[in-house]
Amino acid sequence: SAVISQKPSRDICQRGTSLTIQCQVDSQVTMMFWYRQQPGQSLTLIATANQGSEATYESGFVIDKFPISRPNLTFSTLTVSNMSPEDSSIYLCSVVTGMLEAFFGQGTRLTVV
Amino acid sequence: AQSVTQLGSHVSVSEGALVLLRCNYSSSVPPYLFWYVQYPNQGLQLLLKYTSAATLVKGINGFEAEFKKSETSFHLTKPSAHMSDAAEYFCAVSEGSSASKIIFGSGTRLSIRP
Repeated sequence: SAVISQKPSRDICQRGTSLTIQCQVDSQVTMMFWYRQQPGQSLTLIATANQGSEATYESGFVIDKFPISRPNLTFSTLTVSNMSPEDSSIYLCSVVTGMLEAFFGQGTRLTVV
Repeated sequence: AQSVTQLGSHVSVSEGALVLLRCNYSSSVPPYLFWYVQYPNQGLQLLLKYTSAATLVKGINGFEAEFKKSETSFHLTKPSAHMSDAAEYFCAVSEGSSASKIIFGSGTRLSIRP
């Protein structure tokens, strides 16, 4: 199993500002995944973060808007840049274990005003 | 590219009735399939997973799902619904390694009528 600590758990931010979300895992993992869950919607994958290389972004997501860092095998950050109300969402980090089970952080509930 | 389609954004059944939540997948490689549940204002919990072993997979809380390659389906069932089953259910697919991303379906909200 894996225990993921994500912070902040929630924040209210002004439009035009940026927020950095941190994700800490209790074991070393190759890949970390960042998802967005908009209100009442499913999870959409933003990017895959691999330690030592640039993150891989899904269609519709770009590095300038969602820069990601992965300095080591247990930690990653996602920044939501130049925020607008449309960025209001829950952001989750995730890892997949060798048993092919995905574990998720509790999420960061972001409200942009 | 992999994807899953969940038929029915909202399913309502009576307490004690059969629960059937539909999921069809698309994958260019043998898929690994999952069902997750999300209770209101809570995180995701794995219900069950198919990883190329038995095609009938049993999960927690009395749920099970059957992998049918010919139909590209992985429907979730429970013989008798309980009020506590009311939640959002997500079907998901991956290529089956710890380096593989998991792609989620759009979700099905299950409501239980007394």
